[in-house]
Order: sequence, then C-alpha cells, then structure tokens
Amino acid sequence: EDKVVQSPLSLVVHEGDTVTLNCSYEVTNFRSLLWYKQEKKAPTFLFMLTSSGIEKKSGRLSSILDKKELSSILNITATQTGDSAIYLCAVSGTASKLTFGTGTRLQVTL
Amino acid sequence: DSGVTQTPKHLITATGQRVTLRCSPRSGDLSVYWYQQSLDQGLQFLIQYYNGEERAKGNILERFSAQQFPDLHSELNLSSLELGDSALYFCASSVSGTAGNTIYFGEGSWLTVV
Repeated sequence: EDKVVQSPLSLVVHEGDTVTLNCSYEVTNFRSLLWYKQEKKAPTFLFMLTSSGIEKKSGRLSSILDKKELSSILNITATQTGDSAIYLCAVSGTASKLTFGTGTRLQVTL
Repeated sequence: DSGVTQTPKHLITATGQRVTLRCSPRSGDLSVYWYQQSLDQGLQFLIQYYNGEERAKGNILERFSAQQFPDLHSELNLSSLELGDSALYFCASSVSGTAGNTIYFGEGSWLTVV
C-alpha cells in the first residue's frame, strides 16, 4: 500500500525565518508528488513534481523531488503569518488516486 | 475558488441516519474523488469515479456508497451513521482519471454525527 510520511508534524517559527518541510514516500510505480496548502478548509494546490532534481518555484516557495531517496522538500523563505497552514504532501502511483501524508502544521508568529 | 462545488457545507445529524453529500466537479473535469478528513487520520481516499464509472476504491466503508451521474456530478451516500463518521468530506476533480494529474478540491462538507 502507498505510504507518505511528513516531518515535522508541527513547526512554530518567527516571521522572516526560512523553513524546510520534508516528505518521504513509498509508492508502486511513482508518477508524481504534489504539495498542497490547507488553511481553513480546502487544500489548495502548490506544486506537482514528476522529475527528480528539478526545482519548482513560486515566489517564496520552492520544492525539489529526489526520486533516488524517495523524498521531497518544500522550502519557504522569509515566512509571513499568512503562510500559517497545514502543508500536505501527496503521491500518485499506478492508481490515479492521491495518497496523502498527515501534513505539517506550520505556525508563523510575529 | 477551485471550481469544485460541494453541498451542504455543514450538516448535523443523529446516529443511525443517512445523508447524501453532493459534488459538482470543475467544468471539463471527468474524474471525481471523495476524501474523508478527520483530526486523527488526515486525508483518507474513499473512492474515485471517471466519466460515470468507478475507477478506484480506497478505505470506503460498506455503509458508504457513491455514484457519478451523466452530468458528471457525484453524490456520496453515508448510511447508518456512527459518531466516528464525523469528519470533513472533500470532493475533488481532475481532467482525466490517469495518474499524475493535479486534483482540485472543493471546500468540503462538514458532517457532525451526534
């Protein structure tokens, strides 16, 4: 069965800090890894990674996939209070469904 | 706004009852997914439909069932409800039913069973 493990479970940082969130996975016939941000309700899509070593970037957020290590990191630089959320990592394999990790809860304080 | 619409937003019902959650996918999306999110278990995949047919099944209880209609909207039926069924139920959609697609989530239906 596909499995996704995220770390840390929870993180509290000061505004302006840089954070790195980790995601490791076990999946049959890996196709893609996705990052989502969940604030109040619906997870919102951040990145989809399919190739190893390629960095996807959007503003202060970036992510890299390491297919050899079966892992991915999500970096957030110059954090803001609006970055406070649960960050979810998900993978898809042979089946089209996404398997999610339990998420990393990030709190950014002033 | 992802374009995925779910109703109702909130629902409170008693144990033993039956409820139906409704989902309209994004325009053009053929695939619909249902996920359950509870505090202790994260997002759990329930079931996927593609163009009206069941495509994949996850940890969906026998008391739960779903279908996708010709107009592509989907319904999740939950019966003989138990306290432990209280959770946020998400519908998501994607263009195709194949792996590697981005899926977009609705706002969720919050079910409380009392």
